[in-house]
Amino acid sequence: EAQVTQNPRYLITVTGKKLTVTCSQNMNHEYMSWYRQDPGLGLRQIYYSMNVEVTDKGDVPEGYKVSRKEKRNFPLILESPSPNQTSLYFCASSLLGGGSGANVLTFGAGSRLTVL
Amino acid sequence: AQKVTQAQTEISVVEKEDVTLDCVYETRDTTYYLFWYKQPPSGELVFLIRRNSFDEQNEISGRYSWNFQKSTSSFNFTITASQVVDSAVYFCAHHTGTASKLTFGTGTRLQVTL
Repeated sequence: EAQVTQNPRYLITVTGKKLTVTCSQNMNHEYMSWYRQDPGLGLRQIYYSMNVEVTDKGDVPEGYKVSRKEKRNFPLILESPSPNQTSLYFCASSLLGGGSGANVLTFGAGSRLTVL
Repeated sequence: AQKVTQAQTEISVVEKEDVTLDCVYETRDTTYYLFWYKQPPSGELVFLIRRNSFDEQNEISGRYSWNFQKSTSSFNFTITASQVVDSAVYFCAHHTGTASKLTFGTGTRLQVTL
């Protein structure tokens, strides 16, 4: 089944304790991205990647890091989490180019993170 | 910069009513895509439709229809004869190929009651 898998789905942590949210897709998509969803703010892009070893900042990159060492994986790293990073996080992927499926994001199920 | 505005924060209707969700976008690009996604109470994000900037034809899919008007920079979504299962948050989004970025609106929460 074509899907984006992110883990953990739920996490409660404390300020300053490094954590990684993993994201993996099995569709051979070039493009991957992380979003956070907060009430009243919709989905805001954190980082995105056009391909292996190519990453770039989205609208709200502060406090986050990403890497794209393999095409299928795009982990989100919070080096020193703070309470304002409490949010619902979504990983997504898509094909690039001009085909019929291009730019249609497939989303993971979401990871709800609470930083105390 | 791209911007997507969904002015309706929350809409409540009774089942079988028709409802239109508004979406207005701002862009300087001539080539772009517009999307609608649905987020049911279970939380996942489900793709509904993609429309490119050169295709202004309206689209109908069952009870769903979309009205794209470049003259007013709008891409509105209508649900005909709404059902309780339509209750969800609906997001409009804009994609520009030059930035490879999908910009979302803040979403409209639709509540359909019996």
